[in-house]
Amino acid sequence: GAGVSQSPSNKVTEKGKDVELRCDPISGHTALYWYRQSLGQGLEFLIYFQGNSAPDKSGLPSDRFSAERTGGSVSTLTIQRTQQEDSAVYLCASSLAEASYNEQFFGPGTRLTVL
Amino acid sequence: KNEVEQSPQNLTAQEGEFITINCSYSVGISALHWLQQHPGGGIVSLFMLSSGKKKHGRLIATINIQEKHSSLHITASHPRDSAVYICAVRSGGSNYKLTFGKGTLLTVNP
Repeated sequence: GAGVSQSPSNKVTEKGKDVELRCDPISGHTALYWYRQSLGQGLEFLIYFQGNSAPDKSGLPSDRFSAERTGGSVSTLTIQRTQQEDSAVYLCASSLAEASYNEQFFGPGTRLTVL
Repeated sequence: KNEVEQSPQNLTAQEGEFITINCSYSVGISALHWLQQHPGGGIVSLFMLSSGKKKHGRLIATINIQEKHSSLHITASHPRDSAVYICAVRSGGSNYKLTFGKGTLLTVNP
């Protein structure tokens, strides 16, 4: 595809359920990033992948959050036992490499609502 | 205090006006990004800069590294420019991690 794609675009779930959010980066992009955009909080960094490894998980808010990336391509962000405060837009971005001169391209996001 | 501060938070302009959005940051950076987010839409990267000035169409971004300040200017503003504009910095110690401002909501009225 031409850009970063994410699925689903919207997800409504009940408190306590697990959810999986998917990100398909731009083909050839080795770096992948997950961000969260909450109302009133702005955007915050969650996790960064270089290839299949995640050298920086420092932004994950709790151990209910995990992410993996397989084949250096698709990534899945999993939230276990969802809470209402997890409601947010989850954004994925990718770039050619981690070097600072590489622009990050953002996906359209997944809007998660936890009831 | 946030590492990245934007002003103003909200800005309303009439079509044709010259717009300036400001971003100040408190850490050493390797790059600064300006992003655009339309209501209900995804995020588009407008500029990435580490020094000087960049221009793309009616948009101009400048950065002063010594003063830790960047501005985004829109000339001849148009209602389609209405969006949230977000400043993000990549700190000097990281090649990838972005820290974001809270955004400026711009509304351009016809």
